[in-house]
Amino acid sequence: DQQVKQNSPSLSVQEGRISILNCDYTNSMFDYFLWYKKYPAEGPTFLISISSIKDKNEDGRFTVFLNKSAKHLSLHIVPSQPGDSAVYFCAASARSGGYQKVTFGTGTKLQVIP
Amino acid sequence: ETGVTQSPTHLIKTRGQQVTLRCSSQSGHNTVSWYQQALGQGPQFIFQYYREEENGRGNFPPRFSGLQFPNYSSELNVNALELDDSALYLCASSLGGRGQDQPQHFGDGTRLSIL
Repeated sequence: DQQVKQNSPSLSVQEGRISILNCDYTNSMFDYFLWYKKYPAEGPTFLISISSIKDKNEDGRFTVFLNKSAKHLSLHIVPSQPGDSAVYFCAASARSGGYQKVTFGTGTKLQVIP
Repeated sequence: ETGVTQSPTHLIKTRGQQVTLRCSSQSGHNTVSWYQQALGQGPQFIFQYYREEENGRGNFPPRFSGLQFPNYSSELNVNALELDDSALYLCASSLGGRGQDQPQHFGDGTRLSIL
């Protein structure tokens, strides 16, 4: 049962344009959402997060939007840069017995074309 | 600030053997989580340690076990290795407890290959 889904395995965007990565989830107990970026041979790097009490969080070129009714979140990167080319993982967490359990999607490979 | 470090980087074992992977958490972090990432998949939660005790576990059999030490570093032990255990094993640390949720920060992983 895949509770966090990233339905687009890959995405290509021209440099300078907007990249939009999407993620859907099924577990209504998730209350904290995160995006990670992963380069080959490196571990995931934390990018940005959002609590379920908000619908938008912005950090520089990165903005995450949360639509709780649709159980959908998205990551916007504006403007996209070649260095943004990586695999992006959406993650969601829920508190269970006092600990934070994080569930990851399968990732979207973003290619930014110069 | 020292980040999360994992050792070894790569490891090759044969079926039936046992393996120990190590992780040093980021300074100031008291919680360590371990994940298994198969090729083309997202990281799958194995378990989490907080204050030297396991306080959460994913769908992994008991042959996956762990430890957390007083300095918050951690070990992942896997007994009776199977071919399907071949994967990237990631350690992540965070500031845990009952407060506001905090992001987990990952090491670069240990690539385990089972022959």
